[in-house]
Amino acid sequence: QSAPTQPASVSGSPGQSITISCTGTSSDVGSYNLVSWYQQHPGKAPKLMIYEGNKRPSGVSNRFSGSKSGNTASLTISGLQAEDEADYYCCSFAGSTTYVFGTGTKVTVL
Amino acid sequence: QVQLVQSGAEVKKPGASVKVSCKASGYSFSRYGISWMRQAPGQGLEWMGWISAYNGDTNYAQKFQGRVTMTTDTSTSTAYMELRSLRSDDTAVFYCARILMGRMDVWGQGTTVTVSS
Repeated sequence: QSAPTQPASVSGSPGQSITISCTGTSSDVGSYNLVSWYQQHPGKAPKLMIYEGNKRPSGVSNRFSGSKSGNTASLTISGLQAEDEADYYCCSFAGSTTYVFGTGTKVTVL
Repeated sequence: QVQLVQSGAEVKKPGASVKVSCKASGYSFSRYGISWMRQAPGQGLEWMGWISAYNGDTNYAQKFQGRVTMTTDTSTSTAYMELRSLRSDDTAVFYCARILMGRMDVWGQGTTVTVSS
């Protein structure tokens, strides 16, 4: 099982919008509506930001949104803020109760 | 509040085994699964496997099959992950997370395992 591919880094200025892609295959991202996104600050545990492709847990800012097209899922952060600087990982269900994390993206706020 | 609390840091020699615990509180333990992840220094998250706290069913990532065992103790609401035949490249932070329908919404604080001779 190969990890879905994410860009290594994405950057933006405060207030801008950025999008992080997560490109998998027809065996994972493309087959199931079970893609989740996690934010991880240095030295901290990951935090769930998006689940089931486009749903936000309670307490997560509506500046975070998710979508999917074919084998690619995307996370968009609008109104970028300094606190959004972190690593972001997608995670997809891959069948038979297995999951696979994406390669990870470092978001830098300029 | 809902939380997962993991056991403390471990230092092991190559070839040894390590068993990490993950104690749940604030929710009905058997209604969710527990996933385990590994994160090597400076690297990304890696899914290791999953266990149902309801019936103990497991599924391990192919990479870890034969070397990992995940168990639960419903009497103490605790999940365990044992990794055997440790190598230096197993040095990592290990995380447990509560999972339901692909949503890992509660994470433990992480357990650092260092493998060194």
